[in-house]
Amino acid sequence: DVKVTQSSRYLVKRTGEKVFLECVQDMDHENMFWYRQDPGLGLRLIYFSYDVKMKEKGDIPEGYSVSREKKERFSLILESASTNQTSMYLCASSFVRPKQYFGPGTRLTVT
Amino acid sequence: TQLLEQSPQFLSIQEGENLTVYCNSSSVFSSLQWYRQEPGEGPVLLVTVVTGGEVKKLKRLTFQFGDARKDSSLHITAAQPGDTGLYLCAGESGAQKLVFGQGTRLTINP
Repeated sequence: DVKVTQSSRYLVKRTGEKVFLECVQDMDHENMFWYRQDPGLGLRLIYFSYDVKMKEKGDIPEGYSVSREKKERFSLILESASTNQTSMYLCASSFVRPKQYFGPGTRLTVT
Repeated sequence: TQLLEQSPQFLSIQEGENLTVYCNSSSVFSSLQWYRQEPGEGPVLLVTVVTGGEVKKLKRLTFQFGDARKDSSLHITAAQPGDTGLYLCAGESGAQKLVFGQGTRLTINP
């Protein structure tokens, strides 16, 4: 079975802190994605990556950056966390389009 | 920007009843997926429909893709408490990306 793991299930950070969310997949998938999920808004794509060191902006990239140094790992970075970035963050990976496998999510609270 | 509108956003029914969830767009999608998400977990793929007019069944769940590939529906027959969850539709938006609907939070009461 494909496994997508995220570094933390719950995270509390203060405004202005730099935050790293890490995602690891174990199935050699080319594509990886970061979404945020907010009630009534569904999942919104922040960034995605087709390959190592490649990244593409999604629909809401402002305030975020990403890093993909290894194929299995995709990191989401909040350079200076703000309260409006409090959300559930979901990582996904895919190989065969368009089926995506999701991690369990990280619930981030910024105070 | 492609958008998917799901309705209803909330649905609470009694065990044994039937229900339908709708997913509509003004855009054409090359495929459409349905996911279910349990509390504290990520979404899990239930089905992918690709051809206009396609119908797929998964036990008591029936999924349909509209003829014009702009809309889809999920019908559950004789709902069970185990069907409780958040149901998300997602359209393939090209280049491996998905566009998600807002989700339907379904509660089945025993």
